[in-house]
Amino acid sequence: KQEVTQIPAALSVPEGENLVLNCSFTDSAIYNLQWFRQDPGKGLTSLLLIQSSQREQTSGRLNASLDKSSGRSTLYIAASQPGDSATYLCAVLPRVSNFGNEKLTFGTGTRLTIIP
Amino acid sequence: NAGVTQTPKFRILKIGQSMTLQCTQDMNHNYMYWYRQDPGMGLKLIYYSVGAGITDKGEVPNGYNVSRSTTEDFPLRLELAAPSQTSVYFCASSGGTGRAPLHFGNGTRLTVT
Repeated sequence: KQEVTQIPAALSVPEGENLVLNCSFTDSAIYNLQWFRQDPGKGLTSLLLIQSSQREQTSGRLNASLDKSSGRSTLYIAASQPGDSATYLCAVLPRVSNFGNEKLTFGTGTRLTIIP
Repeated sequence: NAGVTQTPKFRILKIGQSMTLQCTQDMNHNYMYWYRQDPGMGLKLIYYSVGAGITDKGEVPNGYNVSRSTTEDFPLRLELAAPSQTSVYFCASSGGTGRAPLHFGNGTRLTVT
């Protein structure tokens, strides 16, 4: 069974610093990996989706990388801002799935606080 | 474009009561999902639907029921509420081939006492 781990559970960094969030998974037979952001009291917002054939995806100050062989993904946030404070979750979709996201496995997230 | 809308935002139930959590989306997505999120745990899939009239169980379906009579609506029914169903419930949808990114509602925080 796929397990997705995000360590640390919480992270605080000063504003302006670059930072890396980690996601590890146990089964490398994946279809894609997704990163989400969750603000307090809100739902999840999709940030980046990396297909299994890709090594990285970029959106603005965010860059996500994928290394299937080692079962790891990182989310790099450049020049952090207080508005980046949120919980970041990764989720892995296995290669063997039907037609949707029904087998998506979520990590428990890293709660990020950017200190002004 | 409202996306995925969930109602109510909060609800307190007594043990044994029933209720329906509403979810509607205006993106014409075929795929819809219900998750629950408990503290310190990843999201767990309760039920999902690949189109109107088609539903299937997820990882934690016991104590819940769903229906999908239209593309837009995917209500979740709790029968005989139990304290173990205290959680935050999220509805989500995805379009295209179904493996596209999920769009989430803002959740319903349910307490059963």
